[in-house]
Amino acid sequence: AQSVTQLGSHVSVSEGALVLLRCNYSSSVPPYLFWYVQYPNQGLQLLLKYTSAATLVKGINGFEAEFKKSETSFHLTKPSAHMSDAAEYFCAVTQTGANNLFFGTGTRLTVIP
Amino acid sequence: KAGVTQTPRYLIKTRGQQVTLSCSPISGHRSVSWYQQTPGQGLQFLFEYFSETQRNKGNFPGRFSGRQFSNSRSEMNVSTLELGDSALYLCASSSGGQGNNEQFFGPGTRLTVL
Repeated sequence: AQSVTQLGSHVSVSEGALVLLRCNYSSSVPPYLFWYVQYPNQGLQLLLKYTSAATLVKGINGFEAEFKKSETSFHLTKPSAHMSDAAEYFCAVTQTGANNLFFGTGTRLTVIP
Repeated sequence: KAGVTQTPRYLIKTRGQQVTLSCSPISGHRSVSWYQQTPGQGLQFLFEYFSETQRNKGNFPGRFSGRQFSNSRSEMNVSTLELGDSALYLCASSSGGQGNNEQFFGPGTRLTVL
């Protein structure tokens, strides 16, 4: 069975501050892990993905995530928040040989000017 | 390349009716997946089609069904609508390799059941 847990349904940061969104996974097999962003009234856009290559994954818009097997974590970070980062962020997991994504419950990021 | 398109964008139906949603994948993509997004249950996988065959299925009742055509366009159907079926239905397409291929999402169809 696979699942992801996102800690914190709402996160607020000041513009220019560090963004840290937490995701822990549970998987009985090596996972593929993803972070998606959803802006209001839009679909999901892939930020980055981990597919067992480098453990530090760089994505779009300055986001990155580090796969830590010992902690079963895949936290999303960005050094400096921008107003345009305000959105909902979803962590997702799937396994080799499958295209069905299991999503976390999402974290709504608010950026305070 | 044009992105994933979904029609219609908004639908209002009443309980007991049925509804069909359409998804056109990115040109060349052969895999289409469907997801349901609700405030209470979040994002849940419905099913995936690849080359006109259902390849994966989530844990939804049989009222939810889908199909894929030879041009990779996909439809999903929900019969005997219930209030709880109100949701944003998202379609995603990918090239078809399993697991590590990026899935590109459409804007969704927002279904309201009255």
